[in-house]
Amino acid sequence: SQQGEEDPQALSIQEGENATMNCSYKTSINNLQWYRQNSGRGLVHLILIRSNEREKHSGRLRVTLDTSKKSSSLLITASRAADTASYFCATDTGANSKLTFGKGITLSVRP
Amino acid sequence: DTEVTQTPKHLVMGMTNKKSLKCEQHMGHRAMYWYKQKAKKPPELMFVYSYEKLSINESVPSRFSPECPNSSLLNLHLHALQPEDSALYLCASSQRRLWDRGRSNYGYTFGSGTRLTVV
Repeated sequence: SQQGEEDPQALSIQEGENATMNCSYKTSINNLQWYRQNSGRGLVHLILIRSNEREKHSGRLRVTLDTSKKSSSLLITASRAADTASYFCATDTGANSKLTFGKGITLSVRP
Repeated sequence: DTEVTQTPKHLVMGMTNKKSLKCEQHMGHRAMYWYKQKAKKPPELMFVYSYEKLSINESVPSRFSPECPNSSLLNLHLHALQPEDSALYLCASSQRRLWDRGRSNYGYTFGSGTRLTVV
């Protein structure tokens, strides 16, 4: 079963622009994580934000978490063609650390 | 070593075959996972091993049989699969501390996956 729902489902931007992706979820969480997947291969962990945190940065990535609205956003600044990939939010509810993935967002960055 | 290694990368098997997928990590992670991913869909959890013990089985059919021989290895034994089982099978691992009591705050490291085709 899916916990997270990302929007938009597909995003196309020009290189250098910022990309914002949103994720909503339904139940209480221990943490929320964002992953990237290139061409149907393995997923790469990008960033984790705990339920008691509101914002986190890592390089060009900024993630926010609003537990009252059960939503998160991932901002990629100054996007590059290499950022083209599918992005998934995933929620950890703390029950045996079971990670459940949203449907994903396809990001295309045009050179 | 910061990788999860999965073999083989590609596998084609008949419905009467028996095959195994292998996963290995040497990061000292004590939680390991199998996920199944169909095209254009998110990964779906199949099994979780914590300290070499099966802790979650997401109602997976018995034709999939997981095994964790030691803290570095995770296998998925396949038998009598159906064409609809064709998918990308992903292995992942994460840190786990005994005192976490299930509330872990570590990201997962995924392997590159095994693309399985059942004919």
